[in-house]
Amino acid sequence: AQRVTQPEKLLSVFKGAPVELKCNYSYSGSPELFWYVQYSRQRLQLLLRHISRESIKGFTADLNKGETSFHLKKPFAQEEDSAMYYCALAGSGGSYIPTFGRGTSLIVHP
Amino acid sequence: ETGVTQSPTHLIKTRGQQVTLRCSSQSGHNTVSWYQQALGQGPQFIFQYYREEENGRGNFPPRFSGLQFPNYSSELNVNALELDDSALYLCASSRDLYEQYFGPGTRLTVT
Repeated sequence: AQRVTQPEKLLSVFKGAPVELKCNYSYSGSPELFWYVQYSRQRLQLLLRHISRESIKGFTADLNKGETSFHLKKPFAQEEDSAMYYCALAGSGGSYIPTFGRGTSLIVHP
Repeated sequence: ETGVTQSPTHLIKTRGQQVTLRCSSQSGHNTVSWYQQALGQGPQFIFQYYREEENGRGNFPPRFSGLQFPNYSSELNVNALELDDSALYLCASSRDLYEQYFGPGTRLTVT
């Protein structure tokens, strides 16, 4: 069974501090991994996808197959980064069943 | 480009009743997925439709059913509502399997 774990329900940092939102997964095949973000009063939207290897809004995430992790990082947090972040996994090939983590609320204080 | 829309915004039903939620996909998208999001939890996958055929289903009972129409709009039907069905229901459309665009959701309350 595939599973996504986001161990922190809440992460609180000050502006300019580094941020790391943790995501660990369990999946027997080659996973497709994503980070979604939901800003206050906005809809859920894709932030980044591991296969694209992009940096979006200063965020990066590296897939570590050995540690089965896909942590989201940003070197200097901004107040506008405050939002709910969800890590998600989709199995590659065959039947498509995506699994989301429960989410981490990031609060960036001025 | 029109985004994903859902209707109604919220509704209240009684246990045992049936409900239909609607979703209009983003223009050019042929895939739609439905999710249930309980308070304090991440979205939980219900099922996905690709070109009017079910393309994957999560761990939900058969009383959760869906349809996708030729114009790629979609419905989620839930029969015999239970109190635990109270949640935010999200629809997401996409051109490929993975890059999904979410709607604002329908808040369902079952009393």
